[in-house]
Amino acid sequence: SQQGEEDPQALSIQEGENATMNCSYKTSINNLQWYRQNSGRGLVHLILIRSNEREKHSGRLRVTLDTSKKSSSLLITASRAADTASYFCATGMNSGYSTLTFGKGTMLLVSP
Amino acid sequence: GAVVSQHPSWVICKSGTSVKIECRSLDFQATTMFWYRQFPKQSLMLMATSNEGSKATYEQGVEKDKFLINHASLTLSTLTVTSAHPEDSSFYICSARVARQGASQAEQYFGPGTRLTVT
Repeated sequence: SQQGEEDPQALSIQEGENATMNCSYKTSINNLQWYRQNSGRGLVHLILIRSNEREKHSGRLRVTLDTSKKSSSLLITASRAADTASYFCATGMNSGYSTLTFGKGTMLLVSP
Repeated sequence: GAVVSQHPSWVICKSGTSVKIECRSLDFQATTMFWYRQFPKQSLMLMATSNEGSKATYEQGVEKDKFLINHASLTLSTLTVTSAHPEDSSFYICSARVARQGASQAEQYFGPGTRLTVT
């Protein structure tokens, strides 16, 4: 299985601080994606990074990928209370219609 | 953006009954839909891949006779939990992939989920 493993499992920070979550996986991948899930809700796609990319930005999000270490990180800068959610990484084996394998997630709590 | 809906949002049923969950792509066509289940504070586990007009592909360990999937149109897939038992209580989430040649894997949109409680 190439299930991603996120750490930490849970993270509590104050508004304005940065939040960093990490994801590790086991086998070669084509791409890695980060999703957000509010409690009891569906998933929202945040960002995709391909195996030949090292860093990607989207607004307050910054994702890095280190294929040699089989790991990725998601950085949320200047966090807001509304960022409180669970964050999952998911790996894709190829660029075609393959399925996604999700990690266990990091629960982020941002306090006002 | 593309919207995927699920119905119902939550359902409580008695043990032994069957429950049908619908997944609809509202403003796009989806040749492929995925069904996941998620237990509390755990990750999403893929149950099956549903392709329009063909039989679903189930992941190892998922009983196809218990979790019936029908993908009759490009905008609708249904998951029927047959003879539900308390251990089937979970959060079921579908996702739909855009039916467009060259669409990347990123173009997969998730429904809001259906919480099933079997008493």
